[in-house]
Amino acid sequence: DIQMTQSPSSLSASVGDRVTITCRASQGISNYLAWFQQKPGQAPKSLIYAASTLQSGVPSKFSGSGSGTDFTLTISSLQPEDFATYYCHQYDSFPYTFGQGTKLEIK
Amino acid sequence: QVQLVESGGGVVQPGRSLRLSCAASEFTFNIYAMHWVRQAPGKGLEWVTVISYDESTKNYADSVKGRFTISRDNSKNTLYLQMNSLRVDDTAVYYCARGDNYYGLDVWGQGTTVTVSS
Repeated sequence: DIQMTQSPSSLSASVGDRVTITCRASQGISNYLAWFQQKPGQAPKSLIYAASTLQSGVPSKFSGSGSGTDFTLTISSLQPEDFATYYCHQYDSFPYTFGQGTKLEIK
Repeated sequence: QVQLVESGGGVVQPGRSLRLSCAASEFTFNIYAMHWVRQAPGKGLEWVTVISYDESTKNYADSVKGRFTISRDNSKNTLYLQMNSLRVDDTAVYYCARGDNYYGLDVWGQGTTVTVSS
């Protein structure tokens, strides 16, 4: 199975900050990497697919990069609605796997 | 709008069975693979199983293999998850999600809660 390791596990930031979350795959997954945002009591929401492409309707403050084993999610100009948990996810091969999540909290 | 609605969750004793459903609307259901993903209380996301658009291919996580069965009825735009021999550690919110080889898991339902407890 492909292990997905996210860092950090939690992150404290202020409104207006720019933050970066990293995700490492235990083996190469090309660009079959997605990022999800999840708020308490809600289903995950797809933000980015193919490592760097925004899903329809997702604001351009979110950006993704990487290929192979190392990926990043960057969120610029944090707003209150951005504080949530973020997950990376590989869909290169079964079983699909997720990172353990990064909880983004308000400082 | 494109929508997935899960149902069938509840409280069940260990060893018993439960069947979840996921009703799809406003998209062409029969051309998409469909997945189940679960989330135990306070934990992260765990992929459970997938079924191809035509039911020809199914894959399962090791944690549910031999106990859970995924199926679909394209005439009813509905996805199912038959869960047998349930265990306490199957307790989770179960989400169905639409799958695409390029777009990934792009549409998710709101989830249905399964609690396995004596």
